[in-house]
Amino acid sequence: SYVLTQPPSVSVAPGQTARITCGGDNIGSESVHWYQQKPGQAPILVVYDDRDRPSGIPERFSGSNSGNTATLTISRVEAGDEADYYCEVWDTDSDLYVFGPGTKVTVL
Amino acid sequence: QVHLVESGGGVVQPGGSLRLSCAGSGFTFSRHGMHWVRQAPGKGLEWVAVISYDGRKEYYGASVKGRFNISRDNSKNTMYLQMNSLRAEDTAVYYCAKDNYDLGDYFDYWGQGTLVTVSS
Repeated sequence: SYVLTQPPSVSVAPGQTARITCGGDNIGSESVHWYQQKPGQAPILVVYDDRDRPSGIPERFSGSNSGNTATLTISRVEAGDEADYYCEVWDTDSDLYVFGPGTKVTVL
Repeated sequence: QVHLVESGGGVVQPGGSLRLSCAGSGFTFSRHGMHWVRQAPGKGLEWVAVISYDGRKEYYGASVKGRFNISRDNSKNTMYLQMNSLRAEDTAVYYCAKDNYDLGDYFDYWGQGTLVTVSS
């Protein structure tokens, strides 16, 4: 089955840029989606189809995907961005959905 | 606006059964695939199962295949998860999520979750 990898944690100062990676075999050929989950809350979609944002998600959230790595970038980080972030793909070979292990973003 | 509400969680003994429900509103329920995703305490998200918009296709994660059954009643705008032969490792918050399309797309809305605890 398809496996996704993420760094366990990323720390960033307010106003700086956070980059969260999601690794997978030839992930650049897949559509990658990103979810944000704050403590005690349900996840919400922040980026879909590699780089698109749902309505209501700030432009500070952006995505890219190429080769074996997809990246979620949070620009001008704010305290409210502190959360766990998960990447997700649909494995077309198995018709199953796969989440990455998650990355905890800490705002210093 | 889209609203998903899960119910049916609780405490169950190992080997027991439980049925979860997910009621949807604010969208045309019968046009979208629907998912169950779970999260064990302190752990990450794990996709559990999906059912197509018309109920004709079902797919399951390896850890629940053969024990869980997903179904839906479009006349009631409700999806279900029948969980049998429950194990301690099934303890988790279970979220229902709406697929943006039918199958193979992203989860654009999530419910608040219902807690299932498997313990003697």
